[in-house]
Amino acid sequence: DSGVTQTPKHLITATGQRVTLRCSPRSGDLSVYWYQQSLDQGLQFLIQYYNGEERAKGNILERFSAQQFPDLHSELNLSSLELGDSALYFCASSAIGGINYGYTFGSGTRLTVV
Amino acid sequence: KNEVEQSPQNLTAQEGEFITINCSYSVGISALHWLQQHPGGGIVSLFMLSSGKKKHGRLIATINIQEKHSSLHITASHPRDSAVYICAVSIGTASKLTFGTGTRLQVTL
Repeated sequence: DSGVTQTPKHLITATGQRVTLRCSPRSGDLSVYWYQQSLDQGLQFLIQYYNGEERAKGNILERFSAQQFPDLHSELNLSSLELGDSALYFCASSAIGGINYGYTFGSGTRLTVV
Repeated sequence: KNEVEQSPQNLTAQEGEFITINCSYSVGISALHWLQQHPGGGIVSLFMLSSGKKKHGRLIATINIQEKHSSLHITASHPRDSAVYICAVSIGTASKLTFGTGTRLQVTL
């Protein structure tokens, strides 16, 4: 157990639907990062939250949104799902900014859109 | 051109062999990370480097900041080392990671 908990592990849903992926960071970590891993694009940064505030945004589609709650868990909301959204979604956490403190990754949520 | 390049893309080795995976980057970085991803998907952070060399068990990671290059070495490789190894960097002051495309390693008996 890495200390970062992601739920659910697997999700199968239909096109057009909306899903929520959840991440609980390692105890004490304030930063949460969301990454998408697809077969054609590899691993890509989506968004970072630090202590409840959005810190950085990457290649995140407008159909996707995220937030970090006061208890520091984070949720990634994916709406109007398309077949191309099928991917592994990883959450990672770090103590502060991550640069000097390293990252801990969750085991990922495998999303399949049919 | 990708900011982070890895080579080789695929690597097959026999048990006991010494393995080297290379990573080159084209931008200023604050840290470089080596990650391991087993079949089934989970990612484990192996090393974080900003200079020099680190060793953990049979794994050694080195970085040359001037040449913008890092290597991951596995000594006395074992089938359980079979995984995808991913190089990732933190660019400038940003803490998000930018990833290489990974090296798929298969170690056979």
